[in-house]
Amino acid sequence: DSGVTQTPKHLITATGQRVTLRCSPRSGDLSVYWYQQSLDQGLQFLIQYYNGEERAKGNILERFSAQQFPDLHSELNLSSLELGDSALYFCASSCGDSYNEQFFGPGTRLTVL
Amino acid sequence: AQTVTQSQPEMSVQEAETVTLSCTYDTSESDYYLFWYKQPPSRQMILVIRQEAYKQQNATENRFSVNFQKAAKSFSLKISDSQLGDAAMYFCAYTPNFGNEKLTFGTGTRLTIIP
Repeated sequence: DSGVTQTPKHLITATGQRVTLRCSPRSGDLSVYWYQQSLDQGLQFLIQYYNGEERAKGNILERFSAQQFPDLHSELNLSSLELGDSALYFCASSCGDSYNEQFFGPGTRLTVL
Repeated sequence: AQTVTQSQPEMSVQEAETVTLSCTYDTSESDYYLFWYKQPPSRQMILVIRQEAYKQQNATENRFSVNFQKAAKSFSLKISDSQLGDAAMYFCAYTPNFGNEKLTFGTGTRLTIIP
């Protein structure tokens, strides 16, 4: 158990809909990262928050947005969903110490029908 | 931009044998970290081993070891005495040593263990 939690584990929805994925980082970790893993692909970095502020953006679509709340949990919002958005979405957290080790949550499996 | 390349989409090895997974990367930084992550069928991302670029000594974790060649920008993973539980996708990843930076992943190598 990495200490990072993600909800829900699975999400099935239809095209055009909007969903919210939630992540709670490890206790004390200020950084939260979101990654997308499409079928049998590597993980693509979407966005990072540090202590409530957006710190870095990767290949995140304009239809996607995220935020980090004062209690440090983070939410990833996906709107106007398309079939191609079906993927495994991982959240990771780190405290930024040596190694910058990131601890991954179990992921949310999103299926868009 | 940093890139990570894993040129072996699939590998297989007999149980108890040794296998080496390849990874190359490209960066202009001199200080960074490299990682190997394992992703079993459960899809959980599990850190296997990590290497600091400024350390010449290759990292070792039990049956897992790396061959880090900084000049060649190569970072291979050797698994000794392969076990059935080693079957998984293995991802190589890079992050610069700026603190709180994203990971850049390769596309992965699917490892099959043959009983």
